[in-house]
Amino acid sequence: SQTIHQWPATLVQPVGSPLSLECTVEGTSNPNLYWYRQAAGRGLQLLFYSVGIGQISSEVPQNLSASRPQDRQFILSSKKLLLSDSGFYLCASTQGGPGAFFGQGTRLTVV
Amino acid sequence: GQQLNQSPQSMFIQEGEDVSMNCTSSSIFNTWLWYKQDPGEGPVLLIALYKAGELTSNGRLTAQFGITRKDSFLNISASIPSDVGIYFCAGLTSGGSNYKLTFGKGTLLTVNP
Repeated sequence: SQTIHQWPATLVQPVGSPLSLECTVEGTSNPNLYWYRQAAGRGLQLLFYSVGIGQISSEVPQNLSASRPQDRQFILSSKKLLLSDSGFYLCASTQGGPGAFFGQGTRLTVV
Repeated sequence: GQQLNQSPQSMFIQEGEDVSMNCTSSSIFNTWLWYKQDPGEGPVLLIALYKAGELTSNGRLTAQFGITRKDSFLNISASIPSDVGIYFCAGLTSGGSNYKLTFGKGTLLTVNP
């Protein structure tokens, strides 16, 4: 079965600093990969999804970007963090069924 | 874009009661999924539904894929305290270049012992 690794688990960054969150997938190949943000413990907002290396679709225009340099690696970045970027970031992977597997998430606090 | 309307937003029930929540959409999905999220954790898949009309059970959980492919419900029978958490529905559209997994806003379930 698939395993999603996300790190770091917790991150506190000052406003204006850069960001790099990494997600790697084990146990499958050519997965579809997703970055979600969850604010205040509620809804999951889809930020980016990728169907292959170098292929990124953005759902919400903002100061975040994503890259997929390898088949099982998905990176979320920002050049300058905003206070509103705080939240719980989740990486997910789908490969056929059943459903999507999620990582344990990164709690980002921008101060 | 695609949106899922999940209801209710929150529920407060007594242990032993049954729970029902549902999701509706204006779009058709190929797959409906139900997840549970514990605090500080990633969502965990509970049930996956692949065909319109499909009714699937997982222990005390039962979910159905609506005939129109635009809705789904999740029932939890005889709730217990560990059922507490946020439940999400999700719809998956695949085919062509569209592989988006869209989530509802979640149902926060509180179970009083």
